[in-house]
Amino acid sequence: QVQLQESGPGLVKPSETLSLTCTVSGGSVTSNSHYWSWIRQPPGKGLEWIGHIYYSGNTNYNPSLKSRVTISVDTSKNQFFLKLSSVTAADTAVYFCATGQSCSGGSCYPVFWYFDLWGRGTLVTVSS
Amino acid sequence: QSALTQPASVSGSPGQSITISCTGTSSDVGGYNYVSWYQQHPGKAPKLMIYEVSNRPSGVSNRFSGSKSGNTASLTISGLQAEDEAHYSCSSYTSTSLHVLFGGGTKLTVL
Repeated sequence: QVQLQESGPGLVKPSETLSLTCTVSGGSVTSNSHYWSWIRQPPGKGLEWIGHIYYSGNTNYNPSLKSRVTISVDTSKNQFFLKLSSVTAADTAVYFCATGQSCSGGSCYPVFWYFDLWGRGTLVTVSS
Repeated sequence: QSALTQPASVSGSPGQSITISCTGTSSDVGGYNYVSWYQQHPGKAPKLMIYEVSNRPSGVSNRFSGSKSGNTASLTISGLQAEDEAHYSCSSYTSTSLHVLFGGGTKLTVL
Protein backbone atom coordinates (compact mmCIF):
# COMPACT_ATOMS: atom_id res chain seq x y z
CA GLN A 1 0.00 0.00 0.00
CA VAL A 2 1.65 3.19 -1.21
CA GLN A 3 1.70 6.08 1.27
CA LEU A 4 2.80 9.68 0.82
CA GLN A 5 4.14 12.08 3.43
CA GLU A 6 4.97 15.75 2.92
CA SER A 7 7.70 17.51 4.87
CA GLY A 8 9.41 20.88 4.87
CA PRO A 9 9.56 24.29 6.54
CA GLY A 10 6.26 25.66 7.76
CA LEU A 11 7.39 29.27 7.40
CA VAL A 12 9.06 30.89 4.41
CA LYS A 13 9.98 34.55 3.98
CA PRO A 14 8.64 36.58 1.04
CA SER A 15 10.83 36.47 -2.09
CA GLU A 16 12.53 33.26 -0.92
CA THR A 17 12.10 29.72 -2.29
CA LEU A 18 9.62 27.26 -0.82
CA SER A 19 11.01 23.72 -0.75
CA LEU A 20 8.97 20.64 0.11
CA THR A 21 9.64 16.91 0.07
CA CYS A 22 7.20 14.07 -0.49
CA THR A 23 8.41 10.70 0.78
CA VAL A 24 6.93 7.64 -0.91
CA SER A 25 6.60 4.46 1.15
CA GLY A 26 5.22 1.09 0.13
CA GLY A 27 6.08 1.81 -3.49
CA SER A 28 8.75 3.32 -5.72
CA VAL A 29 9.07 6.71 -7.37
CA THR A 30 10.57 4.83 -10.31
CA SER A 31 7.23 3.10 -10.88
CA ASN A 32 5.97 3.61 -14.42
CA SER A 33 2.38 3.44 -13.16
CA HIS A 34 2.33 6.73 -11.27
CA TYR A 35 2.52 10.43 -11.96
CA TRP A 36 3.72 12.22 -8.81
CA SER A 37 1.86 15.47 -8.26
CA TRP A 38 1.76 18.53 -6.07
CA ILE A 39 -1.51 20.30 -5.27
CA ARG A 40 -2.12 23.21 -2.93
CA GLN A 41 -5.05 24.78 -1.09
CA PRO A 42 -4.91 28.34 0.28
CA PRO A 43 -6.78 28.76 3.58
CA GLY A 44 -10.51 28.74 2.97
CA LYS A 45 -10.09 28.37 -0.78
CA GLY A 46 -10.20 25.71 -3.46
CA LEU A 47 -7.58 23.24 -4.62
CA GLU A 48 -4.99 24.22 -7.22
CA TRP A 49 -2.94 21.72 -9.23
CA ILE A 50 0.74 22.75 -9.28
CA GLY A 51 2.29 20.09 -11.48
CA HIS A 52 3.57 16.55 -11.75
CA ILE A 53 6.61 14.47 -12.61
CA TYR A 54 6.81 11.05 -14.24
CA TYR A 55 9.49 8.46 -13.42
CA SER A 56 11.24 9.35 -16.69
CA GLY A 57 11.75 12.88 -15.38
CA ASN A 58 9.15 14.44 -17.63
CA THR A 59 7.29 17.24 -15.92
CA ASN A 60 4.17 19.29 -16.54
CA TYR A 61 3.30 22.46 -14.66
CA ASN A 62 0.30 24.72 -14.14
CA PRO A 63 0.83 27.59 -16.60
CA SER A 64 0.04 30.14 -13.90
CA LEU A 65 2.98 28.89 -11.80
CA LYS A 66 5.30 27.50 -14.46
CA SER A 67 7.88 30.27 -14.30
CA ARG A 68 8.44 29.68 -10.57
CA VAL A 69 7.99 25.90 -10.14
CA THR A 70 10.39 23.00 -10.30
CA ILE A 71 9.41 19.42 -9.48
CA SER A 72 12.17 16.84 -9.25
CA VAL A 73 12.76 13.32 -7.98
CA ASP A 74 15.50 11.51 -6.03
CA THR A 75 15.22 7.81 -6.76
CA SER A 76 17.85 6.88 -4.16
CA LYS A 77 15.73 8.40 -1.40
CA ASN A 78 12.36 7.46 -2.92
CA GLN A 79 11.28 11.08 -2.71
CA PHE A 80 10.05 13.82 -5.00
CA PHE A 81 10.31 17.52 -4.42
CA LEU A 82 8.63 20.87 -4.99
CA LYS A 83 10.47 24.15 -5.30
CA LEU A 84 8.51 27.38 -5.69
CA SER A 85 10.59 30.52 -6.06
CA SER A 86 9.90 34.19 -5.31
CA VAL A 87 7.05 33.40 -2.95
CA THR A 88 4.53 35.95 -1.70
CA ALA A 89 1.71 35.82 0.82
CA ALA A 90 -0.51 34.45 -1.95
CA ASP A 91 1.52 31.25 -1.85
CA THR A 92 0.44 30.56 1.73
CA ALA A 93 -1.41 27.24 1.53
CA VAL A 94 -1.62 23.63 2.58
CA TYR A 95 0.53 21.72 0.12
CA PHE A 96 -0.39 18.13 -0.74
CA CYS A 97 1.49 15.50 -2.69
CA ALA A 98 -0.76 13.10 -4.53
CA THR A 99 -0.89 10.45 -7.23
CA GLY A 100 -3.38 8.58 -9.36
CA GLN A 101 -3.40 5.10 -10.83
CA SER A 102 -5.81 2.97 -12.80
CA CYS A 103 -5.68 -0.81 -12.47
CA SER A 104 -7.56 -3.37 -14.52
CA GLY A 105 -7.01 -7.03 -15.20
CA GLY A 106 -3.83 -7.09 -13.17
CA SER A 107 -2.21 -4.20 -15.03
CA CYS A 108 -1.89 -0.67 -13.74
CA TYR A 109 -1.21 2.52 -15.63
CA PRO A 110 -0.65 6.09 -14.49
CA VAL A 111 -3.31 8.77 -14.61
CA PHE A 112 -2.81 12.45 -13.93
CA TRP A 113 -6.45 13.55 -14.28
CA TYR A 114 -7.53 12.21 -10.92
CA PHE A 115 -5.85 11.53 -7.59
CA ASP A 116 -6.71 8.48 -5.52
CA LEU A 117 -3.87 8.76 -3.03
CA TRP A 118 -2.95 11.88 -1.06
CA GLY A 119 -0.52 12.83 1.65
CA ARG A 120 -1.89 14.51 4.78
CA GLY A 121 -0.72 17.92 3.60
CA THR A 122 1.60 20.48 5.14
CA LEU A 123 0.82 24.11 5.84
CA VAL A 124 3.33 26.61 4.50
CA THR A 125 2.98 30.21 5.58
CA VAL A 126 4.77 33.00 3.72
CA SER A 127 5.54 35.80 6.12
CA SER A 128 8.45 37.91 7.25
CA GLN B 1 -7.17 29.53 -16.76
CA SER B 2 -10.34 29.97 -14.65
CA ALA B 3 -11.34 27.41 -12.10
CA LEU B 4 -14.42 25.30 -12.67
CA THR B 5 -17.61 26.85 -11.24
CA GLN B 6 -19.36 25.26 -8.28
CA PRO B 7 -22.04 26.62 -5.93
CA ALA B 8 -20.54 27.86 -2.68
CA SER B 9 -22.95 25.83 -0.58
CA VAL B 10 -25.78 23.33 -0.68
CA SER B 11 -27.80 21.76 2.09
CA GLY B 12 -30.23 18.91 2.67
CA SER B 13 -31.88 16.93 5.40
CA PRO B 14 -30.94 13.37 6.35
CA GLY B 15 -32.38 10.89 3.89
CA GLN B 16 -32.79 13.44 1.11
CA SER B 17 -30.81 13.70 -2.13
CA ILE B 18 -28.72 16.65 -3.21
CA THR B 19 -26.86 17.51 -6.40
CA ILE B 20 -23.74 19.64 -6.75
CA SER B 21 -22.95 21.11 -10.15
CA CYS B 22 -19.56 21.81 -11.73
CA THR B 23 -19.51 23.99 -14.83
CA GLY B 24 -16.62 24.34 -17.21
CA THR B 25 -16.12 24.71 -20.94
CA SER B 26 -15.76 22.57 -24.03
CA SER B 27 -11.99 22.54 -23.40
CA ASP B 28 -12.38 20.73 -20.09
CA VAL B 29 -15.62 19.32 -18.62
CA GLY B 30 -17.50 19.26 -21.89
CA GLY B 31 -14.70 17.90 -24.01
CA TYR B 32 -13.47 14.94 -21.99
CA ASN B 33 -14.77 12.27 -19.62
CA TYR B 34 -12.05 13.15 -17.15
CA VAL B 35 -14.16 14.73 -14.40
CA SER B 36 -13.59 13.67 -10.82
CA TRP B 37 -15.06 14.57 -7.43
CA TYR B 38 -13.43 14.82 -4.01
CA GLN B 39 -14.80 14.90 -0.47
CA GLN B 40 -12.82 16.83 2.12
CA HIS B 41 -13.50 17.03 5.83
CA PRO B 42 -11.96 19.93 7.81
CA GLY B 43 -8.23 19.53 8.29
CA LYS B 44 -8.09 16.37 6.17
CA ALA B 45 -6.81 15.50 2.74
CA PRO B 46 -9.30 15.20 -0.12
CA LYS B 47 -10.76 11.75 -0.80
CA LEU B 48 -11.59 10.62 -4.32
CA MET B 49 -15.32 9.84 -4.59
CA ILE B 50 -15.93 9.74 -8.36
CA TYR B 51 -13.53 9.50 -11.28
CA GLU B 52 -13.99 9.73 -15.04
CA VAL B 53 -17.46 11.28 -14.63
CA SER B 54 -19.32 8.36 -13.09
CA ASN B 55 -16.98 5.70 -11.74
CA ARG B 56 -16.76 4.99 -8.01
CA PRO B 57 -13.50 3.82 -6.46
CA SER B 58 -13.64 0.67 -4.40
CA GLY B 59 -15.05 1.39 -0.94
CA VAL B 60 -17.07 4.47 -1.88
CA SER B 61 -20.77 4.19 -1.09
CA ASN B 62 -23.16 3.74 -4.00
CA ARG B 63 -25.10 6.67 -2.55
CA PHE B 64 -22.59 8.79 -4.47
CA SER B 65 -23.05 9.07 -8.23
CA GLY B 66 -21.73 11.29 -11.00
CA SER B 67 -22.97 12.42 -14.39
CA LYS B 68 -22.31 14.99 -17.08
CA SER B 69 -24.34 16.96 -19.59
CA GLY B 70 -22.61 19.33 -21.96
CA ASN B 71 -20.18 21.52 -20.05
CA THR B 72 -21.68 20.73 -16.64
CA ALA B 73 -20.89 17.75 -14.43
CA SER B 74 -22.91 16.80 -11.38
CA LEU B 75 -22.39 14.88 -8.16
CA THR B 76 -25.51 13.43 -6.57
CA ILE B 77 -25.60 12.13 -3.02
CA SER B 78 -28.69 10.15 -2.13
CA GLY B 79 -29.90 9.16 1.33
CA LEU B 80 -27.95 11.99 2.97
CA GLN B 81 -26.20 11.10 6.19
CA ALA B 82 -24.62 13.30 8.82
CA GLU B 83 -21.13 12.10 7.87
CA ASP B 84 -21.64 13.40 4.33
CA GLU B 85 -21.28 16.95 5.67
CA ALA B 86 -18.01 18.14 4.09
CA HIS B 87 -16.57 20.18 1.25
CA TYR B 88 -16.84 18.71 -2.25
CA SER B 89 -14.60 19.69 -5.14
CA CYS B 90 -14.70 18.75 -8.79
CA SER B 91 -11.77 18.59 -11.17
CA SER B 92 -11.27 18.07 -14.87
CA TYR B 93 -8.52 17.58 -17.37
CA THR B 94 -8.19 20.63 -19.60
CA SER B 95 -6.72 20.64 -23.08
CA THR B 96 -5.62 24.21 -22.49
CA SER B 97 -2.00 23.68 -21.53
CA LEU B 98 -2.72 20.03 -20.77
CA HIS B 99 -3.26 20.21 -17.06
CA VAL B 100 -5.85 19.74 -14.33
CA LEU B 101 -8.42 22.29 -13.18
CA PHE B 102 -10.28 22.25 -9.88
CA GLY B 103 -13.55 23.85 -8.89
CA GLY B 104 -13.76 26.30 -6.02
CA GLY B 105 -15.46 23.76 -3.78
CA THR B 106 -18.98 23.40 -2.34
CA LYS B 107 -19.79 23.14 1.35
CA LEU B 108 -22.49 20.56 1.99
CA THR B 109 -24.48 21.04 5.18
CA VAL B 110 -26.67 18.23 6.46
CA LEU B 111 -29.47 19.94 8.36
